[in-house]
Amino acid sequence: EAGVAQSPRYKIIEKRQSVAFWCNPISGHATLYWYQQILGQGPKLLIQFQNNGVVDDSQLPKDRFSAERLKGVDSTLKIQPAKLEDSAVYLCASSLIPLSTDTQYFGPGTRLTVL
Amino acid sequence: AQSVAQPEDQVNVAEGNPLTVKCTYSVSGNPYLFWYVQYPNRGLQFLLKYITGDNLVKGSYGFEAEFNKSQTSFHLKKPSALVSDSALYFCAVRKNSGGYQKVTFGIGTKLQVIP
Repeated sequence: EAGVAQSPRYKIIEKRQSVAFWCNPISGHATLYWYQQILGQGPKLLIQFQNNGVVDDSQLPKDRFSAERLKGVDSTLKIQPAKLEDSAVYLCASSLIPLSTDTQYFGPGTRLTVL
Repeated sequence: AQSVAQPEDQVNVAEGNPLTVKCTYSVSGNPYLFWYVQYPNRGLQFLLKYITGDNLVKGSYGFEAEFNKSQTSFHLKKPSALVSDSALYFCAVRKNSGGYQKVTFGIGTKLQVIP
């Protein structure tokens, strides 16, 4: 089966610009996650969707970050405006069911550099 | 609050020797524990998980992990290391919380297998 797809793979922008990342989860996976992985750190969960609804966005910086999952399939994460500290790899993951016991499958990530 | 500690930034091991990558956790209630591997410019790949049952969990690529409740540890092991095992390894703990999951990753351990 096809894995989690993400695009673009790399993005370089200047601070205060806007950027958007796209994710297409594994077919049939109801739960979708966005993570931020800063260099030298483990992934940090930003937001979790169950179908097209948000179930947890407690660690999402809502003043500049937004995410949506229209129609419960693919998802977009946006940063507006970007700051230098947003430089990181943004990982998308999906799982079949929204339980802590279920395996998450990760995409290759989008590496964002903010200059 | 839940947490994960990976006490070693890097582990060096000679090819053919056994390897251990350490992980300890702190969470209330029963933990769900995961190990992932990350190769350069790739997303995280699932290795294995502990949900319940046998404390010794076997996973992909010959890896296994031992759950020790009294020591709150979930160390990753492999009897004979390969050069191709060189990568970044992440331990994670997950728990159901109020209808969604609380996910915490460790900072990662770089495994270097020396030929």
